[in-house]
Amino acid sequence: EIMMTQSPATLSVSPGERATLSCRASQSLNNKLAWYQQKPGQAPRLLIYDASTRATGIPARFSGSGSGTEFTLTISSLQSEDFAVYYCQRHNDWPYTFGQGTKLEIK
Amino acid sequence: QVQLVESGGGLVKPGGSLRLSCAASGFTFSPYYMNWIRQTPGKGLEWVSSINSRGDIKKYADSVKGRFTISRDNAKNSLYLQMNSLRAEDTAVYYCARETYGYNEHWGQGTLVTVSS
Repeated sequence: EIMMTQSPATLSVSPGERATLSCRASQSLNNKLAWYQQKPGQAPRLLIYDASTRATGIPARFSGSGSGTEFTLTISSLQSEDFAVYYCQRHNDWPYTFGQGTKLEIK
Repeated sequence: QVQLVESGGGLVKPGGSLRLSCAASGFTFSPYYMNWIRQTPGKGLEWVSSINSRGDIKKYADSVKGRFTISRDNAKNSLYLQMNSLRAEDTAVYYCARETYGYNEHWGQGTLVTVSS
């Protein structure tokens, strides 16, 4: 089974700064990697699919990159509403494994 | 707009059963693959099960295989998860989600399942 590993577990960044989150797969996913944002008490929200395609309505400050086994989510200038937990998920085949999450907190 | 509304969660004893439902609206339900995904309290997300548009392809996580059954009724725009032989580790918020090529574009608000004596 493919394992998904996110780093760091917690990231402290000041508003207006850039945040870079990583996701590593134990086997190649080609580009079939999705990113989700989850705020307390809410369902996850799709941000990125196919590693770099923004979902409908997602601001341009969110960008995804990578292929194979290494992927990155970048938030270019953090807004207050961006502080949340972020998950990656492989979507190339079952099982659709999620990473354990990165908590993005205000520095 | 797309709406997914889960129901059927609650408190159940270990070894018991529960049936979750997900009512879909705001889109044509029948063509879409659908997923159940769960989240344990304070923890991360775990994919549980998927079903194709016709309901003849079903996939399960190893942790629930043989105990959970996914199904759908396209005439009723509804998705189901029959959960048997429940264990404490099945305690979680269960989300239904509409899938597109493996990623989950729309999620319900979730329903809490608690397995405890």
